[in-house]
Amino acid sequence: ETGVTQTPRHLVMGMTNKKSLKCEQHLGHNAMYWYKQSAKKPLELMFVYNFKEQTENNSVPSRFSPECPNSSHLFLHLHTLQPEDSALYLCASSLKERVSTDTQYFGPGTRLTVL
Amino acid sequence: LAKTTQPISMDSYEGQEVNITCSHNNIATNDYITWYQQFPSQGPRFIIQGYKTKVTNEVASLFIPADRKSSTLSLPRVSLSDTAVYYCLVGGSNYQLIWGAGTKLIIKP
Repeated sequence: ETGVTQTPRHLVMGMTNKKSLKCEQHLGHNAMYWYKQSAKKPLELMFVYNFKEQTENNSVPSRFSPECPNSSHLFLHLHTLQPEDSALYLCASSLKERVSTDTQYFGPGTRLTVL
Repeated sequence: LAKTTQPISMDSYEGQEVNITCSHNNIATNDYITWYQQFPSQGPRFIIQGYKTKVTNEVASLFIPADRKSSTLSLPRVSLSDTAVYYCLVGGSNYQLIWGAGTKLIIKP
């Protein structure tokens, strides 16, 4: 148990569906992250939020839309996805934003399959 | 562009010491080196972090040469439960986090 929870754990959706991924951290951290993890590739940082403010969007397609209503919750809204978007989506938090020495705490991920 | 490179996979046996090396030729002056472990159906979990020379904790050691262009994660006396994917992460300065593609470590009885 890392203190970061993600729901759902598994999601299958069609290309025309709209769904949302949820992440919650119970660690009192100020920074939260969305990553995409595809097989045999490095983790891809998608979005970073620091104190609820988005500080980075790594050229992520607009079919992915993040939302951070407070420092403990993070959402990833999905619409009109493509099959190549199928991956494990990981949420992480850290005390501060991408400080060299700050440990990131990861949730278990949501395994997304786009049909 | 900064990049970290690590072996795709490694095999070893229970009780052996395992060393996994990560190459990061373009590491910046203020970057730290961090290693994470990931089991199936879980997110990565912090193992150890260092800046230079040697760092040791209760589960691993991290060796970093003077030029800091590589680092070696050392796992002493591995067991079957150490079978996992190990990631090298370099960064933190200039808001850059560079992850390696991971090394799949398989421990055999």
